[in-house]
Amino acid sequence: KAGVTQTPRYLIKTRGQQVTLSCSPISGHRSVSWYQQTPGQGLQFLFEYFSETQRNKGNFPGRFSGRQFSNSRSEMNVSTLELGDSALYLCASSLSGGAITDTQYFGPGTRLTVL
Amino acid sequence: AQTVTQSQPEMSVQEAETVTLSCTYDTSESNYYLFWYKQPPSRQMILVIRQEAYKQQNATENRFSVNFQKAAKSFSLKISDSQLGDTAMYFCAFMKLGGGAQKLVFGQGTRLTINP
Repeated sequence: KAGVTQTPRYLIKTRGQQVTLSCSPISGHRSVSWYQQTPGQGLQFLFEYFSETQRNKGNFPGRFSGRQFSNSRSEMNVSTLELGDSALYLCASSLSGGAITDTQYFGPGTRLTVL
Repeated sequence: AQTVTQSQPEMSVQEAETVTLSCTYDTSESNYYLFWYKQPPSRQMILVIRQEAYKQQNATENRFSVNFQKAAKSFSLKISDSQLGDTAMYFCAFMKLGGGAQKLVFGQGTRLTINP
């Protein structure tokens, strides 16, 4: 079974631009979560989608948004990019059927650099 | 809110040695999972081992085992017969169960280096 895939793997943007990252979960997985990883703040939860609905949200400004499609693929969008948005963005998927199926499996990440 | 603390920023051992990584957490929840993830230089986050809080028996996966002390809120990872491929950042993570709470709370990580 193919793992979680994320595209693109690398992105370079300038301040003020917006960016869209994509995540395809493991086949059959219904939950997709997004995390931001930076050297200073570590790994922080952004949001989680399940059946096209945002179920959980972390403490990030409204410039960070996401959505999930009917095939469980998810996108996250960051508008009006700031230098501090430079990070590795990780996507994780799970079956989310409760108990052991809540285990999250991660994609390779998208490295975003904001200049 | 839950917090996860990894008190060892870096560790270094020789190949074939046994190493233990520490993790403590703080929560008022009774139903939760604990995980160890490994992030090698490729940055791919890989699940190493998981522990259900309601299980008293410590989880094991080949050379990896945990020491789960629920009352002390401690969750350490032991790597036996360490190999060069074990070199990576290791993250301890907490997840509350129930209510659709799909959110991992991570510690700051321990950078483990296995020397030949």
